[in-house]
Amino acid sequence: GNSVTQMEGPVTLSEEAFLTINCTYTATGYPSLFWYVQYPGEGLQLLLKATKADDKGSNKGFEATYRKETTSFHLEKGSVQVSDSAVYFCALSGGSNYKLTFGKGTLLTVNP
Amino acid sequence: ETGVTQSPTHLIKTRGQQVTLRCSSQSGHNTVSWYQQALGQGPQFIFQYYREEENGRGNFPPRFSGLQFPNYSSELNVNALELDDSALYLCASSWGQTDEQYFGPGTRLTVT
Repeated sequence: GNSVTQMEGPVTLSEEAFLTINCTYTATGYPSLFWYVQYPGEGLQLLLKATKADDKGSNKGFEATYRKETTSFHLEKGSVQVSDSAVYFCALSGGSNYKLTFGKGTLLTVNP
Repeated sequence: ETGVTQSPTHLIKTRGQQVTLRCSSQSGHNTVSWYQQALGQGPQFIFQYYREEENGRGNFPPRFSGLQFPNYSSELNVNALELDDSALYLCASSWGQTDEQYFGPGTRLTVT
């Protein structure tokens, strides 16, 4: 079945540092890949997505590239801010109902 | 455009009781998916409803059941509550069967 493995963290960075959160996946077919963000006490917000190999998703300075050869979708940001502190989930969608399969999440804390 | 809403926000139940959680889909969306997020874990797919019929189910026992109404709102029912059912329950809506799912803020269920 489908599965997602992501760096569990927690990750603690100083403001303006470079961020990488690793994500690899196992899936049949050609899934779409996502990064979701969850702020404390809130639901999930879609951060970015990519639907096919070599696609790059980007939003709010975050980027991730769909790498089929390494089955990876690593999240990067060049300069993090305190407001980026949250839990980040890597996910894929597959199957006829496009159900989402999530990783366990990575807690990011950015200190001023 | 109204987003996905869920009620109640928080709920405390006793083991063995039954609970009903509610979700109103985003305007124009006809598909609702439910996810369970245990503390410190990623969300797990429970089931999906499309045009009032169940359209896929995750690895959850039959005591987890649901409904979708003609206005596309949905209910999640859990019978014979167990301590391990304590979690954040997330509802996501979409138009048709697509990977563009929009999440509500969730219902926090505590079973004592």
